[in-house]
Amino acid sequence: EVQLVESGGGLVQPGGSLRLSCAASGFSFSSHWMHWVRQAPGKGLVWVSRITNDGTDGTGTAYADSVKGRFTISRDNAQNTLYLEMNSLRAEDTAIYYCARVSTTNWANDYWGQGTLVTVSS
Amino acid sequence: DIVMTQSPDSLAVSLGERATISCRSSQSVFKNSNKPNHIAWYQQKPGQPPKLFIYWASTRESGVPDRFSGSGSGTDFSLTISSLQAEDVAVYYCQQYISIPVTFGQGTRLEIK
Repeated sequence: EVQLVESGGGLVQPGGSLRLSCAASGFSFSSHWMHWVRQAPGKGLVWVSRITNDGTDGTGTAYADSVKGRFTISRDNAQNTLYLEMNSLRAEDTAIYYCARVSTTNWANDYWGQGTLVTVSS
Repeated sequence: DIVMTQSPDSLAVSLGERATISCRSSQSVFKNSNKPNHIAWYQQKPGQPPKLFIYWASTRESGVPDRFSGSGSGTDFSLTISSLQAEDVAVYYCQQYISIPVTFGQGTRLEIK
């Protein structure tokens, strides 16, 4: 069974940092691109970042303009874990953060984790 | 960036009736005949993550009831529920995944009338 389990969310002050993790199981993690998608309370879905299956080529990572330069996506295929390092956090980064798998056959996000809540507030 | 616009923002339909949600992209999301329209539809219920329902604009994900169908090409797409059931109450999102940044529609809240 495919499982994605996010962790690392919490309350952080503006300007602070957090590192989110997404533990993957039940599939060949190293074969799949992965996304982070966030959802502010009561709002819609917003794509945050993407990493290719090895993340090492020149176009291996991509970011939304709103987080570029502040967030870093990475992965450890040996540990089946996806990460999102978030720095210089702002109130507008407050959201549930989901990791989502990219299907290798149709390129949509076929599995999603339950999400982890990040609250940026003083 | 490709802007995705859904209509309506909310929709109330009687049980057993048809529900249709529209989604328009600001640019074509057609790539080629093997990988046509890069449009997905997701269902999200309160307190749950989104669930993939439709990909390639019209292909149902495994396990999705056949009362759900997707259609459209180029820039105009729709999700139709042929006979609304109580368990279909949710927010539905369209998504384009042909280019970065991946973008979602604003969501359509579907309720029972």
